[in-house]
Amino acid sequence: GAVVSQHPSWVICKSGTSVKIECRSLDFQATTMFWYRQFPKQSLMLMATSNEGSKATYEQGVEKDKFLINHASLTLSTLTVTSAHPEDSSFYICSARGISRITYEQYFGPGTRLTVT
Amino acid sequence: GDSVTQMEGPVTLSEEACLTINCTYTATGYPSLFWYVQYPGEGLQLLLKATKADDKGSNKGFEATYRKETTSFHLEKGSVQVSDSAVYFCALSYMNYGGSQGNLIFGKGTKLSVKP
Repeated sequence: GAVVSQHPSWVICKSGTSVKIECRSLDFQATTMFWYRQFPKQSLMLMATSNEGSKATYEQGVEKDKFLINHASLTLSTLTVTSAHPEDSSFYICSARGISRITYEQYFGPGTRLTVT
Repeated sequence: GDSVTQMEGPVTLSEEACLTINCTYTATGYPSLFWYVQYPGEGLQLLLKATKADDKGSNKGFEATYRKETTSFHLEKGSVQVSDSAVYFCALSYMNYGGSQGNLIFGKGTKLSVKP
């Protein structure tokens, strides 16, 4: 149980375009979802936290207009990178947390590799 | 603020060697401590955890003990296998009111390569 999926697993887009990444909790209701960014050889940086039906809370230094997060249902959150630039190339990982005791902890998706050319 | 520091990698070991990955933390309160593992091309998986001082977390032959006096949570395994090759992250978080896990604070990760 407590499986989180991400789609796509990798994506290549041209500079200036937007790309959407989906994060789904497959077998539990995720009241909270987290979006992380992972740079090569570095740790995970929390970008934002979203609660279902509410606006996301962004960490300091993360541009909310560039990284649009939507958490419209208890099983789906999306991250849209708008007007992507090569410096947005990274590995994006989501995690989800539920409301039952077995889903109290964050469960991580497999990640999405974004390359902006 | 709170932080986690873990040893720089990469760590390269031969199969059946002993492993220790050091992790120390700075915390204003009494957090829970975690080790996560990230296999190549995958997301993070919880490896083990400890919620209070002197607790020992263990899983798949790995273990770590929550040492409040030294603010440490070192990861150990007596005999590593090639399949243990991965990046290991130490992390801390506080429990939210109601019991759910709060935001995680990660160390930078330590890459482990095990050679046959």
